[in-house]
Amino acid sequence: SQQGEEDPQALSIQEGENATMNCSYKTSINNLQWYRQNSGRGLVHLILIRSNEREKHSGRLRVTLDTSKKSSSLLITASRAADTASYFCKETSGSRLTFGEGTQLTVNP
Amino acid sequence: DAGITQSPRHKVTETGTPVTLRCHQTENHRYMYWYRQDPGHGLRLIHYSYGVKDTDKGEVSDGYSVSRSKTEDFLLTLESATSSQTSVYFCAISESSRSGNTGELFFGEGSRLTVL
Repeated sequence: SQQGEEDPQALSIQEGENATMNCSYKTSINNLQWYRQNSGRGLVHLILIRSNEREKHSGRLRVTLDTSKKSSSLLITASRAADTASYFCKETSGSRLTFGEGTQLTVNP
Repeated sequence: DAGITQSPRHKVTETGTPVTLRCHQTENHRYMYWYRQDPGHGLRLIHYSYGVKDTDKGEVSDGYSVSRSKTEDFLLTLESATSSQTSVYFCAISESSRSGNTGELFFGEGSRLTVL
C-alpha cells in the first residue's frame, strides 16, 4: 500500500498547547498534503508541501517534510477548541491519491 | 466553498438492490473521485475520472462502477448492494494546471449509505 500513515491515532491536549502529528509514507512523492475533517463533514485542505521543500508555514500551521525518512509532521500552535477534528495526510505520487487513517485531535477548553 | 453537491446525503437500502450516488460540481474541474470512509480503514479510493468518459479504478473498486457523461457529474453505482458496502461515500474534485495536477482535493459533504 502507498498510503500515508498518521501517528498518533489519537491526541488529546489542552487549549493553548501545541499539537504535533506525524505522517509516514512508503514511496517517492510529488507532494504531500494535510487535510482536516470535522465530525460528519467532508475533508478540507490545509496545506501542501512539495517534495523539494523542507518546511512550510500557514498561520498557526507548520509542516515539515523529510524525504530521506519518508515522513512529514504537522504542528498546530496555540491550539483552540475549534481545532478538534481528524487530520489526514495524503501523498501524491503519479495518479494515486491515497490517505492515511488520520489522527483524531481533541482540544479541551 | 467549492461547488460540490452529493446526493442523496443519506440512504438506507436492502441487500441486492441497486444504488446510485451522484456527485455534481460547478467548478468545471477535470478530475473527480469517489472515496469511501470506514472506521479503521481511513479513506480509500474507489474510482476516479480524468475527463468525460475517462475513468479508472482505485484500490477498492470491486462491486462499484462509475460513469461520467458530463464534466459536472460523476455517478457511483452499486449494481447489487451488500452489507459490506455500508459506508460514508465522499466525492472529491481537483483541477488541473499547466504544471500538472497538484492533487489538492475539494470534498463534498458525504453520502451515508446503510445496506441492511
